[in-house]
Amino acid sequence: GENVEQHPSTLSVQEGDSAVIKCTYSDSASNYFPWYKQELGKRPQLIIDIRSNVGEKKDQRIAVTLNKTAKHFSLHITETQPEDSAVYFCAAYRGGYQKVTFGIGTKLQVIP
Amino acid sequence: SAVISQKPSRDICQRGTSLTIQCQVDSQVTMMFWYRQQPGQSLTLIATANQGSEATYESGFVIDKFPISRPNLTFSTLTVSNMSPEDSSIYLCSVEYSSTDTQYFGPGTRLTVL
Repeated sequence: GENVEQHPSTLSVQEGDSAVIKCTYSDSASNYFPWYKQELGKRPQLIIDIRSNVGEKKDQRIAVTLNKTAKHFSLHITETQPEDSAVYFCAAYRGGYQKVTFGIGTKLQVIP
Repeated sequence: SAVISQKPSRDICQRGTSLTIQCQVDSQVTMMFWYRQQPGQSLTLIATANQGSEATYESGFVIDKFPISRPNLTFSTLTVSNMSPEDSSIYLCSVEYSSTDTQYFGPGTRLTVL
């Protein structure tokens, strides 16, 4: 089955700096890669996703890149703000109601 | 995105008892999923619930412990049976829309077993 590795597990950045979280996956059949943000006590919320036919996607301060050959994808947050502090989960799966495999999560702390 | 509600939002239960968690969606969905999230941990899939058929359980989870019902396309329940303190966790349901492949999560049920 799919295996997703995520790092770092914790990340502290100064407000205004960039944050990068990296994930690798094992199943070459995976073709959908969502990123979720989970604030303390809240549900995971989708923040951005990318499909295997795209190499990069941006949404304001958030971007995701995908390298299918190397089987890794990354989340980039620019100009970080205190409200970006949360746990971020990457995930990989084939779609079509197949099992979603999540990374272990990265706790991001943005220091004002 | 979906509007998903769960009941109860939290509960404190005695060991040996059972708790049924409800998940309601505002639109019809083919698949609903149940996850467990232990404190500070990632999301672990318990089972997949398709309306009109038996739920499919992941390795390490069995129907006798976590029976699931899916009576229609907008509702599902997960029961945590014969609870022990090790069952203390957050239980989340999610739904997936075939048009996007994206899963959306309910708010979760925080369960504490004494």
